[in-house]
Amino acid sequence: ELKVEQNPLFLSMQEGKNYTIYCNYSTTSDRLYWYRQDPGKSLESLFVLLSNGAVKQEGRLMASLDTKARLSTLHITAAVHDLSATYFCAVSLWADKLIFGTGTRLQVFP
Amino acid sequence: EAEVAQSPRYKITEKSQAVAFWCDPISGHATLYWYRQILGQGPELLVQFQDESVVDDSQLPKDRFSAERLKGVDSTLKIQPAELGDSAMYLCASRDRQETQYFGPGTRLLVL
Repeated sequence: ELKVEQNPLFLSMQEGKNYTIYCNYSTTSDRLYWYRQDPGKSLESLFVLLSNGAVKQEGRLMASLDTKARLSTLHITAAVHDLSATYFCAVSLWADKLIFGTGTRLQVFP
Repeated sequence: EAEVAQSPRYKITEKSQAVAFWCDPISGHATLYWYRQILGQGPELLVQFQDESVVDDSQLPKDRFSAERLKGVDSTLKIQPAELGDSAMYLCASRDRQETQYFGPGTRLLVL
């Protein structure tokens, strides 16, 4: 059974600081997604990582994928309050079935 | 920008009643998904359609849940009878050719 684990589960960080969220998964997959969810809202697609070594960046967020280590990271640079949300990674199985991680709740304070 | 539409946005019902949720995917997206998200957890797939055919419903509690996508466009998810443990957010998503899933706003269900 595929397991997707994220850490930390909760992250409280000061504006301007850097931090990394980790996503580990237990079986082979060549496709990994990152989503953002604001409280009470739906999921917004952030990144799709399709191959080993893939790196994508959008604003203050950068995601990477190491399929050999079964690890993806979401790096936050110089955090701002608007980044406060819950971040989910999801691993794709056959027929594009997504298995979501536990989520990381990020709170950025002044 | 095209979006996945869902209705209703909120639903309060009593246990043992029937509820139904509707989803209209982004035009041209052949693959449609229904997920359930319990508060504080990640979404879990209930059912996946490719056009009008079910691809995966292994996690769908078939004694009380049903889903259909008769014409391969919009879809309905039904629960009958609803139980207290069904309280959750029900999310619909559709997938484009680049294999990204786009999620609708969700239906928040509360069973009393």
